Amino acid sequence: GDSVTQMEGPVTLSEEAFLTINCTYTATGYPSLFWYVQYPGEGLQLLLKATKADDKGSNKGFEATYRKETTSFHLEKGSVQVSDSAVYFCALTLKTSYDKVIFGPGTSLSVIP
Amino acid sequence: GAGVSQSPSNKVTEKGKDVELRCDPISGHTALYWYRQSLGQGLEFLIYFQGNSAPDKSGLPSDRFSAERTGGSVSTLTIQRTQQEDSAVYLCASSPSVSGANVLTFGAGSRLTVL
Repeated sequence: GDSVTQMEGPVTLSEEAFLTINCTYTATGYPSLFWYVQYPGEGLQLLLKATKADDKGSNKGFEATYRKETTSFHLEKGSVQVSDSAVYFCALTLKTSYDKVIFGPGTSLSVIP
Repeated sequence: GAGVSQSPSNKVTEKGKDVELRCDPISGHTALYWYRQSLGQGLEFLIYFQGNSAPDKSGLPSDRFSAERTGGSVSTLTIQRTQQEDSAVYLCASSPSVSGANVLTFGAGSRLTVL
């Protein structure tokens, strides 16, 4: 069935380190892909999205490129900050009879000074 | 409203009691979703509404769970005869349902604790 897989967490990095959170998906057809973020004590919010192959989504220094050939949407940031500590969720929307949204299990990131 | 509102924000109940969780979506958003987030777990899909209809109830864990939406707006998730394993944060999200780039706006969640 349709699903999203993310790298296991938690991930702990030092400030200014490079971040990669892997995300791969299985889906029929051509989904839209998203990264949502949940900061401590807050609700989930959209971080970035890409709607077709080779699109790059970007926001707040984060980037992810829709790779159809590898069915991946890895999240990257060149230099993380303490304020980036959060749980990151990869998700997809299927263009079926309705906009079903499937989330990955989430990856917890802690950035230490 | 400006955002998705959920109430109560916290609910502690005794095993066997019924609870109702409310979601007030963004005005004009036709799509509404309920998810459950257990401690240390991801997001478990429960149910989806398009207007007042629920075309996908496949995620409801048991017949103790039900949900309705009235007037294409407010939704209520009801859990009957609560069990300890129902303890979780229940998240509601809405979207304008623009197919192909369906961005969800989430509420802050209702944290349910069943003693």
